Amino acid sequence: KAGVTQTPRYLIKTRGQQVTLSCSPISGHRSVSWYQQTPGQGLQFLFEYFSETQRNKGNFPGRFSGRQFSNSRSEMNVSTLELGDSALYLCASSFSGSLGYTFGSGTRLTVV
Amino acid sequence: QKEVEQNSGPLSVPEGAIASLNCTYSDRGSQSFFWYRQYSGKSPELIMSIYSNGDKEDGRFTAQLNKASQYVSLLIRDSQPSDSATYLCAVTTSNAGGTSYGKLTFGQGTILTVHP
Repeated sequence: KAGVTQTPRYLIKTRGQQVTLSCSPISGHRSVSWYQQTPGQGLQFLFEYFSETQRNKGNFPGRFSGRQFSNSRSEMNVSTLELGDSALYLCASSFSGSLGYTFGSGTRLTVV
Repeated sequence: QKEVEQNSGPLSVPEGAIASLNCTYSDRGSQSFFWYRQYSGKSPELIMSIYSNGDKEDGRFTAQLNKASQYVSLLIRDSQPSDSATYLCAVTTSNAGGTSYGKLTFGQGTILTVHP
C-alpha cells in the first residue's frame, strides 16, 4: 500500500515568488491536512481538506492557501514568499481523523 | 498556557531501561490522543493512539490516558538505541457532531536518547 506522497522533496525559492506543493494521500483517505514544521515553532497546523472542502484552518496569513481535488490529491500554495516561510511542509492523510494521520516525507522549502 | 505541553528534555536512558514521556493538554474537549516518533531528518511516524481512560499496550509501548487530569503518557519498555528520536504528543478535538476536523495540535516534542 503506497504511503502519502509529497512532491517535490526540496525547493529553493526567492523572496516574493510563489510556490505550489503537492500531496497524494493514501488510497481511500479523504482527509488531508497540511503542517509547517520549524525548529522554533514545531509542528503547526495549516489547514485540512475533506471531499474537496476546507473544513479547518490554522492561524496562518492568507498567503497560505490550499485545495483538494476530486481524487483527494491536495495542493498547497504560498504566495509572496518570505524568508520566514522556510520550513518543512508536511502533508498527512487519514481515513478518519480520529484514527490518526499518516505523514508524507515532506517538502523542504528554502526561501533566499 | 500552551495547548499541549510535554516534559522538558532531552531525556537520556540506558539501554534496557524504561523511558517515560509525559504530556498535558488544555482542551477538555480533546478526544483522540496520539504519540508520534520523529527521527532526525524524517517525518513523524504514528506509534500509538489512545481514546479512552486507562492503559493501551502495543509491544514495548504503553500509552496511558487520564482525561480528568488532562494527562497522557508513553512508556517505552526495554529501550533500545533505535528508539532514540523525538517523541511528539498530539491531540485532536471533535466538534459537537462527532467529526474530527483534521487538526492535530502537537507538543514541542521530547528528545529521547538511549545509550548502550
